[in-house]
Amino acid sequence: DTGVSQDPRHKITKRGQNVTFRCDPISEHNRLYWYRQTLGQGPEFLTYFQNEAQLEKSRLLSDRFSAERPKGSFSTLEIQRTEQGDSAMYLCASSSQGKVQFFGPGTRLTVL
Amino acid sequence: ILNVEQSPQSLHVQEGDSTNFTCSFPSSNFYALHWYRWETAKSPEALFVMTLNGDEKKKGRISATLNTKEGYSYLYIKGSQPEDSATYLCALMNNNAGNMLTFGGGTRLMVKP
Repeated sequence: DTGVSQDPRHKITKRGQNVTFRCDPISEHNRLYWYRQTLGQGPEFLTYFQNEAQLEKSRLLSDRFSAERPKGSFSTLEIQRTEQGDSAMYLCASSSQGKVQFFGPGTRLTVL
Repeated sequence: ILNVEQSPQSLHVQEGDSTNFTCSFPSSNFYALHWYRWETAKSPEALFVMTLNGDEKKKGRISATLNTKEGYSYLYIKGSQPEDSATYLCALMNNNAGNMLTFGGGTRLMVKP
């Protein structure tokens, strides 16, 4: 157990529905990252927060994706109007600035 | 765009065999390389953070080396055990404000008893 938790662990949804995932980082970590892993690939960076500020977003993060980290604690990642191409493992990680990133177990999304 | 590559993609070994994998990356502007182990249904677990050319790190039966001038890192497992079965990921950490990780595709290791 790394201390980072994600909920839910699995989500099956129909195309066009909205989904929201939650990440609870290690409490003293000021940075929180979201990555996405598709089959046969390594995880790819999506976005990161320093405290409550979202400081960078990958070009992979289309306008259907939005992430928040209110009060600099937990974070949510919402996908609107899901598409089959959104099916992936969504990983969250937290760290202190510049240090090792600790990952959660991921949320596996399947879009039918 | 950083290109981090790992080989082989998958590997089947017998219990007791020693094995090694390769991670290659661009040698310019190197900052840090991370190795993770990811078992099915669990969180990726950090193994090593490597920063200096010539670094060698060890954790039990697992060790890693780093060559930043030629852009590669090796991960070695001595006397593989079934519990070593996992996907091993390397990731380049960039030196910008966010320190994001760029991952290779991973090496999936299966150790048969």
